[in-house]
Order: sequence, then C-alpha cells, then structure tokens
Amino acid sequence: GAVVSQHPSWVICKSGTSVKIECRSLDFQATTMFWYRQFPKQSLMLMATSNEGSKATYEQGVEKDKFLINHASLTLSTLTVTSAHPEDSSFYICSAATSASSYNEQFFGPGTRLTVL
Amino acid sequence: RKEVEQDPGPFNVPEGATVAFNCTYSNSASQSFFWYRQDCRKEPKLLMSVYSSGNEDGRFTAQLNRASQYISLLIRDSKLSDSATYLCVVKRSQGGKLIFGQGTELSVKP
Repeated sequence: GAVVSQHPSWVICKSGTSVKIECRSLDFQATTMFWYRQFPKQSLMLMATSNEGSKATYEQGVEKDKFLINHASLTLSTLTVTSAHPEDSSFYICSAATSASSYNEQFFGPGTRLTVL
Repeated sequence: RKEVEQDPGPFNVPEGATVAFNCTYSNSASQSFFWYRQDCRKEPKLLMSVYSSGNEDGRFTAQLNRASQYISLLIRDSKLSDSATYLCVVKRSQGGKLIFGQGTELSVKP
C-alpha cells in the first residue's frame, strides 16, 4: 500500500520557536495533502488542505499565519508552526491522496508529537 | 452539536465477547462512511468502508442507515489485539473532507 512518512516523529521545543514538520509520500504522487491535529482524547481535526503548487485552504479557526503550509512538490508538504506556544502541543498528522482516489482513501503518516515547553 | 458523534467509551470487554459501536452524523449530504482504528500514539488506519447494504470483513460487520444517519460496527469474538480506539469517519460530499468522530476506546481483557 501507499506509504506516507513524517519527520520528525516527535519534537520538544521552547515557547516562541518555530517548528517545521515534513510529510512525504514515498511511493506515489500526492496531489493533495491534509494536515490534522489531535489533542488527547479528542478526534482528529482537519487544519488545512494543500494542493501541490497552490495555496493551502485552511479550516475555520485555524490561523494561516501561524501554521504555514507549503506543498512545493507532489511528494512533499511541510507544516511550520511559527512562534509555538504550549497550547500548540499536540499530535500533528498528515495524510495524502492522489487525484485518482478523489479523497476516497487518504494515506496517513505516522504523526508528529509536538511538545512546547 | 458535533457533526459525527460516537458512543462514549471506554468499552471493557472479555476476550471472545461481541461488542457494538454506534455513530450518528448530522450532515445528510454526507457521501461516504468509514471505520478507522487508532492505536495509542499512532496514526489512524482504515478498518473498513461502510456501505448501505451492510458489509462484513471477517469478525467485523458494518451497517449504515442513511434515513437515521446512523452507522454501526460490530466486532465478534473479540481478541486482545482488537484493543484500540475506533473512529467513525464521514466524508462530506463537498470538498471530500474527512470528518472524524471522537472515537470509542475498546479494551479487550483476557
């Protein structure tokens, strides 16, 4: 099956720093990638949808200037959490879909656990 | 009200038990339905899609009632390895976004 990787798998940083998370589709081309956030005991919440070569579409309530998304190639999307604060501590998960799947199947990365001190 | 709501957990059952999870969704235009499984500190993994006619995959049976906007998952002969959180997921017709329920935690005990 399709494989999606994320890097890093976990990160601890100081408040005020920026953190970049990478999401890669390893054996397929992903025209669309999704970024989710999951707080403990809560559901995955979609943050934004990014299409290769265009600007990301953010969900209501998600600050686009704080969560910078870049999808420069068909195999890589990055999420940068700028000026991270403790409330940004969460499990960040990306998923990827091909145009052929039309979102019917999204392949999830293993997630990145962010802890902001 | 959440768009996808699930039974609150956790469910603690003995090995071999049959357990049922319920889920309701509020958007009648929802197009596709899924059950995902998520292990602790891991990403969600697709367990099965849910079809109107109902579908079965081994010990797992999924049902969909569009009129009631209700989805169910039945697990028969529970195994220890079934312990996980089960997520009800709905795909919107517009934009194809996946909407996840909160999840129901299942713990199967020896």
